[in-house]
Amino acid sequence: DAGITQSPRHKVTETGTPVTLRCHQTENHRYMYWYRQDPGHGLRLIHYSYGVKDTDKGEVSDGYSVSRSKTEDFLLTLESATSSQTSVYFCAITSGPSGGARETQYFGPGTRLLVL
Amino acid sequence: KQEVTQIPAALSVPEGENLVLNCSFTDSAIYNLQWFRQDPGKGLTSLLLIQSSQREQTSGRLNASLDKSSGRSTLYIAASQPGDSATYLCAVREGSGNTGKLIFGQGTTLQVKP
Repeated sequence: DAGITQSPRHKVTETGTPVTLRCHQTENHRYMYWYRQDPGHGLRLIHYSYGVKDTDKGEVSDGYSVSRSKTEDFLLTLESATSSQTSVYFCAITSGPSGGARETQYFGPGTRLLVL
Repeated sequence: KQEVTQIPAALSVPEGENLVLNCSFTDSAIYNLQWFRQDPGKGLTSLLLIQSSQREQTSGRLNASLDKSSGRSTLYIAASQPGDSATYLCAVREGSGNTGKLIFGQGTTLQVKP
């Protein structure tokens, strides 16, 4: 599992409340990613990080922000949760020989978020 | 914009059958292609990774092939077992930059009946 944990694993919240999801890795990987998985859409990239305090937007970044103050932690924040953000959220890291083509992506167990 | 398509969306086969899952992508400029397995309610498990310079990779009963020029990959599962029942996802890593971003297909849900 490449030492990836996500917390919480399940969360129910109300529309308009802020929510923060945490991804923690223990193996000092440089690249970390947040995806969401929805029926009919598959997995889509929200944000990613290429180092401490270095982040960039993915395909579906609206309504989300991220922070990475330490190598091991990558936080995803929904500033004001909406029902459309009900989803399963996966964190991932890239591992393997540097240089791109042989790097494999490993995923955390996921966080199920329900916004009422 | 890269698009990844997996056909069929669902597949049901009897135990012991050999089967092929298909993945196609629109832009051949990829770094690599990865096949994942996802069990219901679980995360993704990496099965095979094919570098852009490779034609195939094998792991046990699994064999994945890559034809960049035609934008296609196949995952071959030999002698299928009920334990192979899961959703199989393919994802391409784009060739531009070194960010490692993956573009996923929507998956093929496989059911292997005893």
